[in-house]
Amino acid sequence: DIVMTQSPSSLAVSAGETVTINCKSSQSLLYSGNQKNYLAWYQQKPGQSPKLLIYWASTRQSGVPDRFIGSGSGTDFTLTISSVQAEDLAIYYCQQYYDTPYTFGAGTKLELK
Amino acid sequence: QVQLTESGPGLVHPSETLSLTCTVSGFSLTGYSVYWVRQPSGKGLEWMGRMRYNGDTSYNSALKSRLSISRDTSKNQVFLKMNSLQTDDTGTYYCTATMGIRNYWGQGVMVTVSS
Repeated sequence: DIVMTQSPSSLAVSAGETVTINCKSSQSLLYSGNQKNYLAWYQQKPGQSPKLLIYWASTRQSGVPDRFIGSGSGTDFTLTISSVQAEDLAIYYCQQYYDTPYTFGAGTKLELK
Repeated sequence: QVQLTESGPGLVHPSETLSLTCTVSGFSLTGYSVYWVRQPSGKGLEWMGRMRYNGDTSYNSALKSRLSISRDTSKNQVFLKMNSLQTDDTGTYYCTATMGIRNYWGQGVMVTVSS
């Protein structure tokens, strides 16, 4: 199984700051046939189902603010949230969908400083 | 519009079998895959398994010996059965599907394993 290692596990931020969440996979998620990275980012707020933010490592889902930026390739990926808003306080998960089982990272909790 | 709705018992006794149903609308189970994801209370997301559009299944290695996913396409339902439940199986169980660039989740069903 592909292991997804996410860091940090929690992050305390002030509104307006830029934050970076890291996700590392135990094997490459880049498929040579289409040059796409099979990596997604989800946001989960308390009491809610997860919401897909980014897929193919860097493509924002429709309606997701452009302050959410996904980057990276191969085994190392990053979710950057620029100018954090209060509504962004949540837990963020990376997930690989390169091969089943489609494993998740352990999550990063974004909290208010 | 696309909807996924999980249903099942809220309470299961230790060592018993959990049976959950995901009822979908707005798409065909023969066209798209449905996944089960769970979240133990206060913990992260765990991918459990997949019912592929063609009827094939895939499972989380750690759960494979206890888990079974099936479907009834005529009723637009996907089923999850997991046996030998223990207290650490307590949590919220979700079904989810992806159609192209759209991703949909049910609201989740809370399952408590307790005697």
